[in-house]
Amino acid sequence: EAGVVQSPRYKIIEKKQPVAFWCNPISGHNTLYWYLQNLGQGPELLIRYENEEAVDDSQLPKDRFSAERLKGVDSTLKIQPAELGDSAVYLCASSFSSGYSTDTQYFGPGTRLTVL
Amino acid sequence: SQQGEEDPQALSIQEGENATMNCSYKTSINNLQWYRQNSGRGLVHLILIRSNEREKHSGRLRVTLDTSKKSSSLLITASRAADTASYFCATRGEPETSGSRLTFGEGTQLTVNP
Repeated sequence: EAGVVQSPRYKIIEKKQPVAFWCNPISGHNTLYWYLQNLGQGPELLIRYENEEAVDDSQLPKDRFSAERLKGVDSTLKIQPAELGDSAVYLCASSFSSGYSTDTQYFGPGTRLTVL
Repeated sequence: SQQGEEDPQALSIQEGENATMNCSYKTSINNLQWYRQNSGRGLVHLILIRSNEREKHSGRLRVTLDTSKKSSSLLITASRAADTASYFCATRGEPETSGSRLTFGEGTQLTVNP
């Protein structure tokens, strides 16, 4: 079974430029997550989708970050404009949510963003 | 914001020894999970323990949970070089309070020397 796919794996941009990350979840998973992971820290949730609906985006900096999940499958996370402090690893995860809090999240390899 | 704090931040042991990592958290939880992250395989779920459980085993892993102390420990027995990774605890809150968000600690970097 294919895991969560993310692209690109690495991205280097200059500040104030836009950037986009793409995620393809595990087939059949209705819930998709975007996390931000700074160096030496654990991941922090940015946004959670259940199907097409963003059900938890309270930690997404909406002034420069946006996300979409069209047709309830693939998702794109965008930053515009990027700032130096956005340098981090952006992780996508998916799960099949059956309504129980014990659902397991499966993570992709992440996109490492460097903003110069 | 991080819910969990892991201790120690870094741990170095010899192959065959046991490794113990601790996690403390602040608010009530529905369950607590442990994840491993290394450069080869990304972030991988290891084990989940529910708030009404006290101990759980999976292969060489043993997890304990003490909700009165808001703490958990992960024991890896007979460690191998391949266990070298960062280990994170993650807590799942009650839906009523946090929407079941999974909140990660800062991790323990484990190095197993051959």
